[in-house]
Amino acid sequence: DTEVTQTPKHLVMGMTNKKSLKCEQHMGHRAMYWYKQKAKKPPELMFVYSYEKLSINESVPSRFSPECPNSSLLNLHLHALQPEDSALYLCASSARENGEKLFFGSGTQLSVL
Amino acid sequence: EDKVVQSPLSLVVHEGDTVTLNCSYEVTNFRSLLWYKQEKKAPTFLFMLTSSGIEKKSGRLSSILDKKELFSILNITATQTGDSAIYLCAVLNAGGTSYGKLTFGQGTILTVHP
Repeated sequence: DTEVTQTPKHLVMGMTNKKSLKCEQHMGHRAMYWYKQKAKKPPELMFVYSYEKLSINESVPSRFSPECPNSSLLNLHLHALQPEDSALYLCASSARENGEKLFFGSGTQLSVL
Repeated sequence: EDKVVQSPLSLVVHEGDTVTLNCSYEVTNFRSLLWYKQEKKAPTFLFMLTSSGIEKKSGRLSSILDKKELFSILNITATQTGDSAIYLCAVLNAGGTSYGKLTFGQGTILTVHP
């Protein structure tokens, strides 16, 4: 069982909707990540938060807005998404920002209609 | 740009077979190489390798890194149907603006038939 919890597990939204993905970990990890994974493709890094501050943004469009309210929580706010944004969104955490031994959540399967 | 290439892309075997998965990489500031297993959704950590020639072993799985030739292999002996999954190789960059970035290969889809 993963110790990184993501909600919701599935999400269907229209292109004009605003929704949020949530991620929580209680392992005391200080780095948290958002990855995007399309079908039959490897995960691609979107954002890295280290000590609750955004440290890496992989040129992600502004319709994706991350937020780290505290060291245990990571949100991804979605607005005006496109159908091509449909993917599995994985949250991960690691003890430190160097990314070693990432622990992944089960992901949110997002469909944009 | 960091690059990770895995081979084969897919593999079908029968229970009891031994398989070898390959991962080659190009990264500007190598820190470590990691193997993950992804069955349904969440990739689960298998091994982290930082030094050449030292085999990591966990049950029927083992892995080794060659930093001179820039590759790693993952061996699975006596495969079981529960080994069916996507095996992901990733390298960690430890320098410059890519610090802390994990770059994944495209994965090897392993199918083990009874």
